[in-house]
Amino acid sequence: AQSVTQLDSHVSVSEGTPVLLRCNYSSSYSPSLFWYVQHPNKGLQLLLKYTSAATLVKGINGFEAEFKKSETSFHLTKPSAHMSDAAEYFCVVSGDNFNKFYFGSGTKLNVKP
Amino acid sequence: DTEVTQTPKHLVMGMTNKKSLKCEQHMGHRAMYWYKQKAKKPPELMFVYSYEKLSINESVPSRFSPECPNSSLLNLHLHALQPEDSALYLCASSQETGLHSMNTEAFFGQGTRLTVV
Repeated sequence: AQSVTQLDSHVSVSEGTPVLLRCNYSSSYSPSLFWYVQHPNKGLQLLLKYTSAATLVKGINGFEAEFKKSETSFHLTKPSAHMSDAAEYFCVVSGDNFNKFYFGSGTKLNVKP
Repeated sequence: DTEVTQTPKHLVMGMTNKKSLKCEQHMGHRAMYWYKQKAKKPPELMFVYSYEKLSINESVPSRFSPECPNSSLLNLHLHALQPEDSALYLCASSQETGLHSMNTEAFFGQGTRLTVV
């Protein structure tokens, strides 16, 4: 079975400081993992994905994530937060049924001036 | 073209109305999805179509009726909805991959904000 746990429901950082959004997963198979961002009243935009290539994955807008199999984690980071990063972030794992994507509960990122 | 287009963007309907949500993609994806998202919650899977056939129905009430007329289009027909069905409805598509192989990502539309009055 597959599941995703996002460890923080809210994260607040100051502009220009690092961002860390935490995600742990459970999967019966080698998973594909994704981070999506959702701005208010918008659809979801893919930030980055892990599909068994390099464990350090670089995405759009300066985000990156590291796949750590031993820790079953896929944390999202960014060196310097920007005001436009304020949004909801979802960690997603694909299932053994290749048409299912399992969502974490989401982390709301607040960026203070 | 990496877009999934949903229409309408907003919809207000009464409990006795019949309406439809539409979704279109031209990426050649053969898997298409409907998700429902309530405020401050993650998207919940409703239906999955694979090669224009319904492959997953997550025990959705029959007042929601999906349809996939061709490989580019996905509809969600709505009838006799309840106020609690008010939500953001998201359509998504992805490439089909082999079972247990690494998945490609899902591409999401901007959603239809549905209000049932």
